[in-house]
Amino acid sequence: GAGVSQSPSNKVTEKGKDVELRCDPISGHTALYWYRQSLGQGLEFLIYFQGNSAPDKSGLPSDRFSAERTGGSVSTLTIQRTQQEDSAVYLCASSLAGTSVSYEQYFGPGTRLTVT
Amino acid sequence: GENVEQHPSTLSVQEGDSAVIKCTYSDSASNYFPWYKQELGKRPQLIIDIRSNVGEKKDQRIAVTLNKTAKHFSLHITETQPEDSAVYFCAAREGFQKLVFGTGTRLLVSP
Repeated sequence: GAGVSQSPSNKVTEKGKDVELRCDPISGHTALYWYRQSLGQGLEFLIYFQGNSAPDKSGLPSDRFSAERTGGSVSTLTIQRTQQEDSAVYLCASSLAGTSVSYEQYFGPGTRLTVT
Repeated sequence: GENVEQHPSTLSVQEGDSAVIKCTYSDSASNYFPWYKQELGKRPQLIIDIRSNVGEKKDQRIAVTLNKTAKHFSLHITETQPEDSAVYFCAAREGFQKLVFGTGTRLLVSP
């Protein structure tokens, strides 16, 4: 079946502009995650959606970052007034979800954001 | 919250040697520990995971061990091959589903 997809694959934007990154999770996956991976670095957690529950926003680095998940499926990560330090690969992942069982997170191909 | 530390940051081995990557975690309530492999320019993929009710798990040339008392877990790759070259990330579950990742280990296997 189809995996997690993200668009665009690459985005170049000027400092100060807003950008929107899109994630389409695997059908039926109720959990969705956003991570940021700077060059040569690890996976930095940004935000987590689980069904209709309030999202866990504890990883968002500033109030310029926000995310929505509409209809329990597609998610959009928005970065306002982009800064050069926002340049990174933004990865989305999805998984089944349960309270007592952990499920594999499947990652998308990522969006490479470059802020000039 | 959970904190995961991973060592070493880089590891170079000769083909056929074993490789060991170690991680420590801080939250004793964590009970799920996956390992992801990320090849250059590709997305991370799960290679093995372990739950806190077992101490070791093997899958062909890959094994993971967990010491709950010491709060550390390790990835062991035997008979390494050039295609094992990649960045490996450990992680620990925080809460219901959130994963906290280590900083990654770049493994280079030389022929």
